Amino acid sequence: DGGITQSPKYLFRKEGQNVTLSCEQNLNHDAMYWYRQDPGQGLRLIYYSQIVNDFQKGDIAEGYSVSREKKESFPLTVTSAQKNPTAFYLCASRGVRVSTNEKLFFGSGTQLSVL
Amino acid sequence: AQKVTQAQTEISVVEKEDVTLDCVYETRDTTYYLFWYKQPPSGELVFLIRRNSFDEQNEISGRYSWNFQKSTSSFNFTITASQVVDSAVYFCALSGDYNQGGKLIFGQGTELSVKP
Repeated sequence: DGGITQSPKYLFRKEGQNVTLSCEQNLNHDAMYWYRQDPGQGLRLIYYSQIVNDFQKGDIAEGYSVSREKKESFPLTVTSAQKNPTAFYLCASRGVRVSTNEKLFFGSGTQLSVL
Repeated sequence: AQKVTQAQTEISVVEKEDVTLDCVYETRDTTYYLFWYKQPPSGELVFLIRRNSFDEQNEISGRYSWNFQKSTSSFNFTITASQVVDSAVYFCALSGDYNQGGKLIFGQGTELSVKP
């Protein structure tokens, strides 16, 4: 079945540690996105990538980094510079069509907590 | 700047009641797209509908209906005869043209609780 796989489902970070969240899609989508969800604040965009080897900062990129070496994969690293990393992280992807704005498909999310 | 406002943080209804979730948006683009997503307790966002700015036709899909009004910049979502399975967080979202990145701007979400 085609879809987006995020792993792990739960992740714990120690102080000063970098952690990486995985996002893989087999939908052959060009664009991929990372969102952060905090209670009562909706989803906020961290980074996005419309093509391999290229990515753009979203609204809250500080303390995060990404890479896009393969079309299928868009891992997100939460660095020690992110002082409040506890949140639910959602990865999404979409196909590209010139004439319309396709919907985003979402993964099932990763809950990151600080120990 | 683009913005989406969902003023209702939480709504609680009894099963079989009708309920409307409000969404107001701001954008300077002439071409834009509006979306509704449902987030059940499992966490994954489920796509419900997409509307483009040139299509103001209201839409009905089973018990769901959407009212898009450009004059008031609103895209409201109504559930008729609500059911317990409708309990979830619902998000309204806005995006511009794909050359703007295709990214969605989300509202804060409305948590709907349908009680038996």
